[in-house]
Amino acid sequence: AQSVTQLDSHVSVSEGTPVLLRCNYSSSYSPSLFWYVQHPNKGLQLLLKYTSAATLVKGINGFEAEFKKSETSFHLTKPSAHMSDAAEYFCVVSPGGATNKLIFGTGTLLAVQP
Amino acid sequence: DGGITQSPKYLFRKEGQNVTLSCEQNLNHDAMYWYRQDPGQGLRLIYYSQIVNDFQKGDIAEGYSVSREKKESFPLTVTSAQKNPTAFYLCASSKIMQPQHFGDGTRLSIL
Repeated sequence: AQSVTQLDSHVSVSEGTPVLLRCNYSSSYSPSLFWYVQHPNKGLQLLLKYTSAATLVKGINGFEAEFKKSETSFHLTKPSAHMSDAAEYFCVVSPGGATNKLIFGTGTLLAVQP
Repeated sequence: DGGITQSPKYLFRKEGQNVTLSCEQNLNHDAMYWYRQDPGQGLRLIYYSQIVNDFQKGDIAEGYSVSREKKESFPLTVTSAQKNPTAFYLCASSKIMQPQHFGDGTRLSIL
């Protein structure tokens, strides 16, 4: 069975410092992996996706994630946090197949301190 | 601009009442989805549809119903059988095997 675990429910950083949001997945075969961001009372916006091409994936707003099969991880990073990055972030795995169903992590709330 | 429109943004329901949440997309996507979001939890799939006039139950379909009469529209009805309907409801759409795009959600509360 496929699953995804976000290791931190809350992360707080200072503006200008690096961001690390951790995600581990469980999959019996090569999954597709995504990071989505959600601002308060809004829908989810796709940050980046991994679909078995390059293991280092670059996304929007300076975010990137590295797929590490040996560690079953897909951590999200950004070199320098901005106040506008404060939001909730979801790591998502897709088992694949025609249904395109997604399995969501429980989310990490990122706070950015001035 | 192409996108997904959910309405209303806020909705209130009385006990024993059915309510319908609207979801419209102009992205020409074949597949549409409904999710429920509760605080501290990820999104859970209620129903999905890959083609007009066809839909499948997701993980938490009890107390909900949907229809897919048009490609652009996928309304969700929260019935009186849903005992804990207070939540944030998100609609999404996608082309087959492509990432899902989300609307801005409807927040449903019980009066």
